[in-house]
Amino acid sequence: QVQLQESGPGLVKPSETLSLTCTLSGGSISGYYWNWIRQSPGKGLEWIGFIYYSGNTNYNPSLRSRVTISLDTSKNQFSLNLTSVTAADTAVYYCARDWGYMDVWGKGTTVTVSS
Amino acid sequence: EIVLTQSPGTLSLSPGERATLSCRASQRVSSYYLAWYQQKPGQAPRLLISGASSRATGIPDRFSGGGSGTDFTLTITRLEPEDFAVYYCQQYGGSARTFGQGTKVEIK
Repeated sequence: QVQLQESGPGLVKPSETLSLTCTLSGGSISGYYWNWIRQSPGKGLEWIGFIYYSGNTNYNPSLRSRVTISLDTSKNQFSLNLTSVTAADTAVYYCARDWGYMDVWGKGTTVTVSS
Repeated sequence: EIVLTQSPGTLSLSPGERATLSCRASQRVSSYYLAWYQQKPGQAPRLLISGASSRATGIPDRFSGGGSGTDFTLTITRLEPEDFAVYYCQQYGGSARTFGQGTKVEIK
């Protein structure tokens, strides 16, 4: 059974970099897109970006200048870096497997931006 | 970027009633590239429908998707208590992904 698990700090200071990792178990990185999505409190889903198993990336234009998604196939992990965070980046962050549609999701991790 | 607009924002219905949710795209989306998700409080979204009309594994047949071009619908024929949730559409026709803002189906 394919599972995803997000991990990383739950609290980040303003202007610092938010770093999260998603670990895949029960499956392979190959052949899929790997996404990050976030959900601010009481709001809808916002796509952040994806990395293809080959290493190609695509990001939400509204976040592109601050986002990097990377892949470590040896560890079956992919990661999110979001720089210069503000309170507006406070959200639940999800990782998801993607064939186009997202069929496997992590449970999400809450990140709060606060001093 | 393709913008998805869902309506209504909130749908108030009783168990056993039919729910019809709309998702309108700002430009044409191939029917192969439209998905629907259900999200309950405190949970991750769950895939319901891909390719506009194909139910995901384990999804009951009271859920059905349809539409083409710029207008898509999700229909729940007879609402069960566990169906009260927020529903999102998502397109994957281009290289980017976008979600609609969601429709909340609440108990009347």
